[in-house]
Formats: sequence, structure tokens, C-alpha cells
Amino acid sequence: QKEVEQNSGPLSVPEGAIASLNCTYSDRVSQSFFWYRQYSGKSPELIMSIYSNGDKEDGRFTAQLNKASQYVSLLIRDSQPSDSATYLCAVIFSNNYGQNFVFGPGTRLSVLP
Amino acid sequence: GAVVSQHPSRVICKSGTSVKIECRSLDFQATTMFWYRQFPKKSLMLMATSNEGSKATYEQGVEKDKFLINHASLTLSTLTVTSAHPEDSSFYICSAYTGQVAGYTFGSGTRLTVV
Repeated sequence: QKEVEQNSGPLSVPEGAIASLNCTYSDRVSQSFFWYRQYSGKSPELIMSIYSNGDKEDGRFTAQLNKASQYVSLLIRDSQPSDSATYLCAVIFSNNYGQNFVFGPGTRLSVLP
Repeated sequence: GAVVSQHPSRVICKSGTSVKIECRSLDFQATTMFWYRQFPKKSLMLMATSNEGSKATYEQGVEKDKFLINHASLTLSTLTVTSAHPEDSSFYICSAYTGQVAGYTFGSGTRLTVV
């Protein structure tokens, strides 16, 4: 069974610090990875996607992918209180029947003013 | 970018009635739409996958007769919660695949409260 795991948190960081969110997945052949942010009572919104090993940066966000370790992370620099939300890691698992989009349970981030 | 429009955003209904939730893909065609349910402080749970012109595929434990899914066109999928009960109160969200870069785009969600 394809699985995506995240530490549920809550992860608390002070304003201005770097928040580090981690995700592991079970299938070695997965190729597509996504980070979503979900505010309470709202639907998820895409932060960024990553497909290649290494880092991908977008503003204050950096996604890191290590396929050998089956690990993807999201770093948030200069964390702001408005970053307080649940962060969902998602992985596309492919098989002979198509592809499955699987979410991790999410990590709650709290940025303290 | 691609937008998935979901309505209504909030609905309160009496126990035993049925509620229909609509998801429309704007500016793109969604041959497949995914329906999720989310309880407070819990993760998204995939309920079913709707396919245009064919029967939906339901996840294990999801009652197909209770959660009726119709995907009659390439831009519209509906979820009907039949004979709703208080335990069906939840946040329902639809999503569609919008490409390798954008991944899956979500509707804004529907907060269902059954009283």
C-alpha cells in the first residue's frame, strides 16, 4: 500500500525562524511530489511541486527532494504568523491502472509572534 | 491558472434530506474529479473518483448508495449526500488533475452541517 507519512505536529517556531517540514513516502518509483498549505476551514492550495532530486526555491519556500531516501521536505524561511497552517505533502503513485494521488496526514505549523 | 469552482460553500440541512454539491472545472476539461471528506483536525480522505461518462470508483468503506456521484460532462461533477445524518457533517472538497506542474487543483470546499 502506498503511503505518505508526516509528523502531525504541531510544529511551533518563532517569527522569523526557519520552519522545516518533512515527509517520507513508500514507493521508490514515485516521480511527482507536491506541498500544499491548508488554512483551517479552507481547501488546500498548492505551494510548490518538485520532481528532481535537489532543491527548488520559490520565494521564502524551498522544497528538497531525495529520492534515494524517499524523503521530501519543505523549508519556510523568515516564518510569519500568516504561515500558520497545516502543510500537506502529496505524492503521485503510478501503477498499471493509472496514478493515485496520496496525501500525507499533514503537519500543523504554528508561527509564534 | 486552472480553477475548480465548488458550490455551495456552506449548507445546513435537516436529517433525512439530500444535499447536492457541484464542482465545475473552469477553462479546462476534467475527465476525472476526486471527492474528499475532511473531519475537523483530520487529514483529507479520498471518498471516490468520478469519471466522465462512467461509474465512479469508491474507496473502501464509502457507501456508494449514500454518496451518489455523477460526472455527466467534462466540466461538471456532482456529489449528492442522500438521507443525510449528523455523522455526515463534514467538509467536502473536490479536486481535478491540472497538469504536472500544477498538480491537483481543489475546489473551495463545502461545509455540510446536518441538524
